[in-house]
Amino acid sequence: AQSVSQHNHHVILSEAASLELGCNYSYGGTVNLFWYVQYPGQHLQLLLKYFSGDPLVKGIKGFEAEFIKSKFSFNLRKPSVQWSDTAEYFCAVNEDGNKLVFGAGTILRVKS
Amino acid sequence: DVKVTQSSRYLVKRTGEKVFLECVQDMDHENMFWYRQDPGLGLRLIYFSYDVKMKEKGDIPEGYSVSREKKERFSLILESASTNQTSMYLCASSRITTGARLRPQHFGDGTRLSIL
Repeated sequence: AQSVSQHNHHVILSEAASLELGCNYSYGGTVNLFWYVQYPGQHLQLLLKYFSGDPLVKGIKGFEAEFIKSKFSFNLRKPSVQWSDTAEYFCAVNEDGNKLVFGAGTILRVKS
Repeated sequence: DVKVTQSSRYLVKRTGEKVFLECVQDMDHENMFWYRQDPGLGLRLIYFSYDVKMKEKGDIPEGYSVSREKKERFSLILESASTNQTSMYLCASSRITTGARLRPQHFGDGTRLSIL
């Protein structure tokens, strides 16, 4: 069965610092990859997704992610974080058609 | 915009009670999901439904059941609530997968359930 690892459970950054959150999955083959974000008190929302093609994917709010097939990774990046990026971030990978497997999440706190 | 509505944001119940969590989506999505979200564990799938009256067990179905009598509504039932079911419960919906591309899931605001 597919599994997803997010290496950092808590990350604290100052505003304008660069962000990289790690995500690795266990199963190869054709994968659909997602990053979701949950802002405090809000529902999960989609940041970006990868299906195929260009391995560098751009999402909303200046986020991007790079798919590296050989490393089974899909890391999330942002060049300069803002206080409003404080949230919990989840990586997810498809399993068995319609289902997703989620990582444990990374809580990001941005200090102003 | 897709709207997934969960009936309660906060719910407090007693051990042994039968608990119903309701979820309604307004985008005619085929798939609906129930997850529980716990700190450090992420989201874990409880049950999944791909059509009316159809259901599949997820990773942690024990102690739960579901009902999908109408396409827009998916109910999660705790048959006899226990304290270890205290958690945040999230409902989601999506279009059915076509080809190799999984459709993104849309989430509700969640129900924070406390079992005393």
